[in-house]
Amino acid sequence: QSALTQPRSVSGSPGHSVTISCIGSNSDVGLYKYVSWYQQRPGKAPKLLIYDVSKRPSGVPDRFSGSKSGNTASLTISGLQVDDEADYYCCSSAGTYTWVFGGGTKVTVL
Amino acid sequence: EVQLVESGGGLVQPGGSLRLSCAASGFDYSTYSMNWVRQAPGKGLEWISYISGGTGTIRYADSVKGRFSISRDNPKNSLYLQMNSLRAQDTAVYYCVRDSTWSFDHWGQGILVTVSS
Repeated sequence: QSALTQPRSVSGSPGHSVTISCIGSNSDVGLYKYVSWYQQRPGKAPKLLIYDVSKRPSGVPDRFSGSKSGNTASLTISGLQVDDEADYYCCSSAGTYTWVFGGGTKVTVL
Repeated sequence: EVQLVESGGGLVQPGGSLRLSCAASGFDYSTYSMNWVRQAPGKGLEWISYISGGTGTIRYADSVKGRFSISRDNPKNSLYLQMNSLRAQDTAVYYCVRDSTWSFDHWGQGILVTVSS
């Protein structure tokens, strides 16, 4: 159950796009379609942004999009806003009813 | 509105025990699987345990297997985490989390557990 690998930080200017990578293995990201992404603001509980690799729950802006290729999943934030500054975590199924998270990525809006 | 409210956290000595509870409301609790996810201070998220809606299936992360026990009481809309043989590395905020379509769609506010002498 090794953690998925995410960059520690990414940054971008308002209106631009940033992409966060999430590197796993053939036992998690590469094997299952159950990759999800979470946004966590300081002192708050995480919030679901993306599930099943690329689906958005009701209420999540379409500026947030997810994809997967092989053992790597990605979250793209388009039209970056100051309000998007937060920590972002990927998560993948790692077996029947077990999960593994990424180490988290801090997004800074310049 | 879905609500998940954790309780039972606090300060405990190494080797001690603690039982966390989570009160669920706003949804048909018995039909949803539930999880516990924790976050050490300044660190990332770690999934630690899963229980199916009918309690038939339970899973643990290797880091807590044999020490922690998850359970639920569906008539009381409650989820529990019994934590034994606690270590300093178990110090974290513990979240009660609802499972939906293989993702975590609702989170409690979290409860702090501190293991220290």
